[in-house]
Amino acid sequence: EVQLVESGGGLVQPGGSLRLSCSVSGFTLSSYTMHWVRQAPGKGLEYVSAISSNGDSTYYADSVKGRFTISKDSSKNTLYLQMSSLRAEDTAVYYCGKSGSNHFIDYWGRGTLVTVSS
Amino acid sequence: DIQMTQSPSSLSASVGDRVTITCRASQGISNYLAWYQQKPGKVPKLLIYAASTLQSGVPSRFSGSGSGTDFTLTISSLQPEDVATYYCQKYNTAPRTFGQGTKVEIK
Repeated sequence: EVQLVESGGGLVQPGGSLRLSCSVSGFTLSSYTMHWVRQAPGKGLEYVSAISSNGDSTYYADSVKGRFTISKDSSKNTLYLQMSSLRAEDTAVYYCGKSGSNHFIDYWGRGTLVTVSS
Repeated sequence: DIQMTQSPSSLSASVGDRVTITCRASQGISNYLAWYQQKPGKVPKLLIYAASTLQSGVPSRFSGSGSGTDFTLTISSLQPEDVATYYCQKYNTAPRTFGQGTKVEIK
């Protein structure tokens, strides 16, 4: 059974840093492109970042480029999102997702809430 | 970047009604279009990919169509459990942008 479990969210001050983790099971992390999607309170889905199956290619939305870094450790079955220089507008639930047969997301984690506030 | 525009932003329909949601891409994306359902307080769920392929386990009252720039999600007979926000997403190339969402309610 495919499972994705995010962790690492919490309250952080503006300008601070946080590392999100997504622990996966039921599939091989090195075989699929993985995604991070966020949802601000009461808002829609925003595509944030992705990493290719072999880890050689990454993507970042303009809103997070230069501040967020996606990575993965296939030996630990874990996807990461390192977030720095956090802003109030980064406040959201962050979901990790697994690609299906193409780059749509067929499995989603339950999400982890990041709140950026002083 | 290609923009994805959904219409309407919200709708209210009666149980049993046929409901159609439209998603328009600002440039052609072939059939690289997915639809997701997000029930209140829940995680998004994949309904349809490749514009018209139903994900396993999704009720057959859901269907998708379209190619290029214009796509539709149809619920043939709206059920109370279909109350949710529906999102389209292009996934051919980055950025894999989502539409702004369509909130479906029961009248």
